[in-house]
Amino acid sequence: ILNVEQSPQSLHVQEGDSTNFTCSFPSSNFYALHWYRWETAKSPEALFVMTLNGDEKKKGRISATLNTKEGYSYLYIKGSQPEDSATYLCARYTDKLIFGTGTRLQVFP
Amino acid sequence: GAGVSQSPRYKVAKRGQDVALRCDPISGHVSLFWYQQALGQGPEFLTYFQNEAQLDKSGLPSDRFFAERPEGSVSTLKIQRTQQEDSAVYLCASSSYTGQETQYFGPGTRLLVL
Repeated sequence: ILNVEQSPQSLHVQEGDSTNFTCSFPSSNFYALHWYRWETAKSPEALFVMTLNGDEKKKGRISATLNTKEGYSYLYIKGSQPEDSATYLCARYTDKLIFGTGTRLQVFP
Repeated sequence: GAGVSQSPRYKVAKRGQDVALRCDPISGHVSLFWYQQALGQGPEFLTYFQNEAQLDKSGLPSDRFFAERPEGSVSTLKIQRTQQEDSAVYLCASSSYTGQETQYFGPGTRLLVL
């Protein structure tokens, strides 16, 4: 993996469904992995900054895990709500943030 | 407290026109970053300031792009002789010290060059 890659590109789920996305990144020279949520017409909002292999972080119904040795992070949303609809961006930090292209989540009532 | 603010929120420019985009970071934040987000892409790093010092400008796409932060707070990104390929959302972010920490983003300036 040379760049930060996110999958899937987009996702449509029903309210109440749980969902997860993947962020893959180069495992060498790792410093930190950032997750952001970006709702249309708003500022990107920081969710997590993860630095240690095996890190698990949680914020309400959203949680994330980190595997720095194999170069991936998962973001989980439990019981999706319409207000969770947004683009979720991950970014690898070395001396600057390198972003993936994001996963666009739409939650239907 | 107040977050990061950017102005204008929207800018339409004719090709060849110069534009200036402003960023007001969170008060006291040492680090300030500019990113460019083209349609369908993730934000791409442009430049980084620590206080008034521009420590990294490796992401600026051409010498038509210039950024400054003269007093270590407000920053301006200037684009000279705009081209259609400059159309994008320009995001500003600040962090309390280093870029490894949480970066707090403004809402962006959407630039359209006709």
